Formats: sequence, C-alpha cells, structure tokens
Amino acid sequence: AQSVSQHNHHVILSEAASLELGCNYSYGGTVNLFWYVQYPGQHLQLLLKYFSGDPLVKGIKGFEAEFIKSKFSFNLRKPSVQWSDTAEYFCAAQGAQKLVFGQGTRLTINP
Amino acid sequence: GAGVSQSPSNKVTEKGKDVELRCDPISGHTALYWYRQRLGQGLEFLIYFQGNSAPDKSGLPSDRFSAERTGESVSTLTIQRTQQEDSAVYLCASSLDRPLIVGELFFGEGSRLTVL
Repeated sequence: AQSVSQHNHHVILSEAASLELGCNYSYGGTVNLFWYVQYPGQHLQLLLKYFSGDPLVKGIKGFEAEFIKSKFSFNLRKPSVQWSDTAEYFCAAQGAQKLVFGQGTRLTINP
Repeated sequence: GAGVSQSPSNKVTEKGKDVELRCDPISGHTALYWYRQRLGQGLEFLIYFQGNSAPDKSGLPSDRFSAERTGESVSTLTIQRTQQEDSAVYLCASSLDRPLIVGELFFGEGSRLTVL
C-alpha cells in the first residue's frame, strides 16, 4: 500500500540555521511528490511539487526538495530559516490516484 | 468566495448522534478529497471523488462514515452514531481535474468535530 513517512516529528532551530526535513515514500510505480505547509491558524498550502525532470525542485520562500529515486526520498531543505517558517510541514505522494500524506513535522524557529 | 468552503467550522455533539459536514469546492474543480486530522497527527485520507467516476472510499474507517457528492459540486461527509475517537478536524480539498495533471490541492479551513 502507498505510504509516506516523515521521521522528524518536531524540529526546533534557531534563525539562520539550515533545515532538512526527511520524507520517504513507499510506492512501486511512478509517483508525484509534494510538500505542503500549514502556518499557524491557516489552511494547508502547496510549498512545492515534483512530477518529472530535474530531481531538485524549488518552491516558494526559498524552499527546495530533492527527489532521490533510489532512496525513495523527497527531503525538504532550506539553507537559512526564518522565524516566519514556523509551521507544520507535510510530505505527500500520489501514486495511482489518491494523494497520501505523511504525519507531518512541526518546525519551530526560535528568534 | 473563491476558496474551498467548509461548514460548520466547529461542531460539538454527543456520543451516538449523527453529524453531517459540508464542503463546497472551488467552482470547476472536478476532484474532491476528504481527510481527517486528529490532534497532533497527520492527514488521514478518507475518500476521493473524481468527476463521475466511482469514488475511492478506501480510507473510510468504518461503515459509520459515508460521503456523497452531487456532480462536481457540494460534498457531504456523514458520520453516524459518533464516537469519541471521531473527534478531529475534517479537511476538504479540491483540485482542477486530477492532481496528476495540476498537482495542487486547495484546502478548506476544516470542520472541527468534538464528540463528548
């Protein structure tokens, strides 16, 4: 069955630190990959997505993610975080049809 | 409005009662999803509607849960004989055609259900 795992449940960083959030998926076929973000008090919104082509994709607000097929991974990165990046981050994968989400990673940035 | 609209935003009910949650997707969006988010947990897929195709109900946790969608418009999620473990935020999302093509779901703000 299709599944997504996010191993970091809560990450706490200081401003300007570098960020990497892990995401692994399990699906045998072609898969589309996404990162969604939920800022405090707001609804989920798309951060970035991968369908095909360049495995390094860039999203909004300086985020990027790299698709590594051999590792079934799609980790999210940002070289220098800001206090405003405090939010919950969800990785998602779409195989045949439905979009399946990971459990989310809560990111807290201390000023 | 232009976004996905869900109602009610908050619902408190007694155990054993039935509840109905409503989702109004973005006009023209053919795909509609329902997810459940329990406190401190991720998004749990419930059901997926795509146009006139048979819905994917594989995520519905029990036969107390059902959902309907009329054409490409409003969807209702019904929970019968609610239990305390049904307490969660129920999120609806819609997208234009299939996510395979567009890749972005637009989420509503959710309906927070509390079962006493």
